[in-house]
Order: sequence, then structure tokens, then C-alpha cells
Amino acid sequence: RKEVEQDPGPFNVPEGATVAFNCTYSNSASQSFFWYRQDCRKEPKLLMSVYSSGNEDGRFTAQLNRASQYISLLIRDSKLSDSATYLCVVNIQAGTALIFGKGTTLSVSS
Amino acid sequence: DTGVSQNPRHKITKRGQNVTFRCDPISEHNRLYWYRQTLGQGPEFLTYFQNEAQLEKSRLLSDRFSAERPKGSFSTLEIQRTEQGDSAMYLCASSLGLAAWETQYFGPGTRLLVL
Repeated sequence: RKEVEQDPGPFNVPEGATVAFNCTYSNSASQSFFWYRQDCRKEPKLLMSVYSSGNEDGRFTAQLNRASQYISLLIRDSKLSDSATYLCVVNIQAGTALIFGKGTTLSVSS
Repeated sequence: DTGVSQNPRHKITKRGQNVTFRCDPISEHNRLYWYRQTLGQGPEFLTYFQNEAQLEKSRLLSDRFSAERPKGSFSTLEIQRTEQGDSAMYLCASSLGLAAWETQYFGPGTRLLVL
């Protein structure tokens, strides 16, 4: 079983749509959680950290369920510029390696 | 540009050749990480440094791979006797190294193609 699993998609949505990505992780000792965004042939960039209480940044909302070992990302009012691959990431021990999922590809069309 | 930089950005080599990549982290970042990413996969951890000390190596880092960070600033990743399976994007990331939980900032990567 992969340490971090995501639905690879692709998700094809029209502008203005709401889209949700899900992710599960296998190691219950995981301590911190993130969503990174990666544009085609570019490096990953931090989109947002995910906190136990859930957190929101503009159109983006992240949720964490430690009991189910489940992380989600909700994007509201999708923009063309949201087209990218979204990587679910966990960290087991502070300062050490990030563990990435394969990523979920989103394509937003006009 | 004060971000993480990597050189070269692209490298094409023949199987069996040695290659070396360089990473310059963000100034004053004490932690430096190397990851490898193949098509359709997320980045996979290779190794990381706290200053000049190499603290962890993944089992992906075979004995043909060696990484150094001699003065605690830039780092090099060398692959000896390259194989076609080494073709990937090699990503470097850095973080401050002062707090337990910190953002890792990634460089643009070095894309390696082994023919």
C-alpha cells in the first residue's frame, strides 16, 4: 500500500465549478500535512498547510480527519489558472522528508 | 532571484557516464533535501542535510548516487555509471532548519535523460 494515495484524475471542470480532491495516508504517526501545487514541468509549490481544525485560504479549503487518515482539498469557483497537478503531502517527523502522493490533475476549461 | 537554484536545468547523457548536479539553497537555509520525480509520480525523497551533515538517505539512493554539502551551503548530487532508469527530474529543496515544522521550498529541478 502506498503511503499517500490520491485519485490521479484527470478532473475536467468548467470555470466556476467546485471541485474536491481526496487523499488518504497510511502512517498514523504522520504529524503534518500539506497540499502542494505543481504546474506542468515546474517545481512543486506549497499551496497550503492542513490543520486539524480545517483551514481556508480564499477559494481553497483544506480538511484533515486524523481518525480516518484522510485529507481533502476543496476549490470553489474554479479559474483557468487553477489547472495544475495537486499533490497531497505528509510529514512524519519534523524536519525530515516530505512524502508525496502521485498527484491529482485538474483541468479547468472556459 | 533569492529562491533555490539548480544547475544544469537539463542534462542528456549516455548510459554509463557520470553526471553531477548542483543545488544552491535559499541563503541561510540550513536544511537541504534532494528528491527525484518520474513522469506521473510525485517527488520521492533521496537524502537530506542539516548544514554539512547528511542525516538521512533513502533506500532509493543506491551506491551509484552520492551527495555532498561540504560547507553547509550548496550541495552536489553525483550519479555514477548512469542507467536509463535514472532518467527523471531531480529536485532540490531547502528550509530554514530553525523550527520543527517548516515549509520546504523547491528549486526548478534538473531534468536528466539517459540514452
